[in-house]
Amino acid sequence: AQSVAQPEDQVNVAEGNPLTVKCTYSVSGNPYLFWYVQYPNRGLQFLLKYITGDNLVKGSYGFEAEFNKSQTSFHLKKPSALVSDSALYFCAVRALDDKIIFGKGTRLHILP
Amino acid sequence: GAVVSQHPSWVICKSGTSVKIECRSLDFQATTMFWYRQFPKQSLMLMATSNEGSKATYEQGVEKDKFLINHASLTLSTLTVTSAHPEDSSFYICSATMISGTGAYEQYFGPGTRLTVT
Repeated sequence: AQSVAQPEDQVNVAEGNPLTVKCTYSVSGNPYLFWYVQYPNRGLQFLLKYITGDNLVKGSYGFEAEFNKSQTSFHLKKPSALVSDSALYFCAVRALDDKIIFGKGTRLHILP
Repeated sequence: GAVVSQHPSWVICKSGTSVKIECRSLDFQATTMFWYRQFPKQSLMLMATSNEGSKATYEQGVEKDKFLINHASLTLSTLTVTSAHPEDSSFYICSATMISGTGAYEQYFGPGTRLTVT
């Protein structure tokens, strides 16, 4: 079965420090992987995606993610966190039938 | 990029009434539209897949008679919550998919609709 796992419910990072939000996946075939961010009472916003090509994908707001096929991971990263990055982050994988399967979400708290 | 709108953005209704939520792809024709539901502090749950001109495909556990989906055109899908109850209070999000000019699969999310049933 295809699935996405985000092992951390919450991640706390001091402002200015690098951040990582973890995601692992299980999917048949080549994965299409996505990261979305959700601010309070707002819909999802697309951050970045991996389809093929370079394993390091750069996205919106200075975020990037590294696709690691051997570890089946797609961790979200940012070199220097901002307080405004505090939000709920979802990792997702596109299933064979075009559905998007989401992880349970990780709440990111950036501490001033 | 492509834009998906939802209307209304929030709605409060009384228990027993029905509420219709619209999802529109504003500048593209959507191959498929999906409806998701998000409970507080939880992940998104896929409710149904909607293709224009055909019946929606509902996920297991989703009551099709309660959550009526109509996909009238390639740019509009509606979700009607019938005989709403407080437990239906949630954040409903739609997404629309398309195949870009380069053949790439693209999915765009609406801003969501917050439903509160009193």
